[in-house]
Amino acid sequence: EVQLVESGGGVVQPGGSLRLSCAASGFTFSSSWMNWVRQAPGKGLEWVANIKQDGSEKHYVDSVEGRFTISRDNAKNSLYLQMDSLRAEDTAVYHCATGSLDYWGQGTLVTVSS
Amino acid sequence: QSALTQPASVSGSPGQSITISCTGTSTDVGGYNYVSWYQQHPGKAPKLMIYDVSNRPSGVSNRFSGSKSGNTASLTISGLQPEDEADYYCSSYTSSGTYVFGTGTKVTVL
Repeated sequence: EVQLVESGGGVVQPGGSLRLSCAASGFTFSSSWMNWVRQAPGKGLEWVANIKQDGSEKHYVDSVEGRFTISRDNAKNSLYLQMDSLRAEDTAVYHCATGSLDYWGQGTLVTVSS
Repeated sequence: QSALTQPASVSGSPGQSITISCTGTSTDVGGYNYVSWYQQHPGKAPKLMIYDVSNRPSGVSNRFSGSKSGNTASLTISGLQPEDEADYYCSSYTSSGTYVFGTGTKVTVL
């Protein structure tokens, strides 16, 4: 059974940083592209970033380019999202998802507020 | 990276069929057969209902079907049931190697 478990969310002040983690199991993590998707309170889904199997290719939505960094550790079956220069509009539940957005974790809430 | 366009709301009576549209461009919906549909109940993670335009994952009811014509994809729910009341989102792979979601549609069972 595929399982994705996010952690690392919390409350952070504007301009601050946070690192999200996603622990993966039940599939061959090292063979799968991986994604981060977010959903602001009461809003729709927004794709954030993805990363190739070996980490050699990464893509970001324009609104986080230069502020967020996606990475992975295939030895630990883990996906990460380093979020810097956080803004109020980054407040959302962040989900990790497998390559074709077929399996999702339950998400972790990030709140950017002073 | 503009969101795909979906109707804000669609409603139907139990047993009826409804269709939700998802309109993009030739660089996303129209360019690839990588359109998916998700169902989301309040407070829950999205659930994959359709992938690759028209394929159903194991365990998803055959009342859900997908199709695509040009830059517009569609999700049809036949034999509408109370538990189908939820938010629905489409997504598509894009020519930039990214994904884009639709604006979301609230389905109400009257």
